Amino acid sequence: NAGVTQTPKFQVLKTGQSMTLQCAQDMNHNSMYWYRQDPGMGLRLIYYSASEGTTDKGEVPNGYNVSRLNKREFSLRLESAAPSQTSVYFCASSDSLGGNSNQPQHFGDGTRLSIL
Amino acid sequence: GNSVTQMEGPVTLSEEAFLTINCTYTATGYPSLFWYVQYPGEGLQLLLKATKADDKGSNKGFEATYRKETTSFHLEKGSVQVSDSAVYFCALSGGYQKVTFGIGTKLQVIP
Repeated sequence: NAGVTQTPKFQVLKTGQSMTLQCAQDMNHNSMYWYRQDPGMGLRLIYYSASEGTTDKGEVPNGYNVSRLNKREFSLRLESAAPSQTSVYFCASSDSLGGNSNQPQHFGDGTRLSIL
Repeated sequence: GNSVTQMEGPVTLSEEAFLTINCTYTATGYPSLFWYVQYPGEGLQLLLKATKADDKGSNKGFEATYRKETTSFHLEKGSVQVSDSAVYFCALSGGYQKVTFGIGTKLQVIP
């Protein structure tokens, strides 16, 4: 079972470059999320999509955009990368139809992004 | 707002020692509580969960009890192994889409 697949696994960018992080899940989950993980900060929510066709800001959305392409795919775009966006990015999904908070999130293995 | 507090560590234990990682939370309503584990180079994966007060979640020898009176969800294991070395995250889900994670506790188990 693939679960949640993220591409690429590693990326190095120069300041000002743009790129899109891809995420796909094969569990037919309604909700998808993008987090960043930084030392001493835990996971911080960037954007989420409660269902196909909707997206909402999380805790740290500045400098990012997202697209929920279909039920399976949720991409994260950095339009003009900055060194402060150096981080490990995780995509997750959950079966949260109807606002059920009992269901866990399923995570991909992350994208390690360095911005010089 | 909701919050989760846990020590960052690292927590260093010898193999077969008893493990406790403390987790306390602040939330409105009746959240569900989770422990996730992250191995090096991987994403988080669910370890156990509890959805109401006094529930005990358990998996792979790990246990945690949802204590509403002390707003706690401490993780315990009776005898740790080297393979348990990882980062452990406490989290709460307090409503639609609102998942709050702790900062993660790094556990190192030495032979």
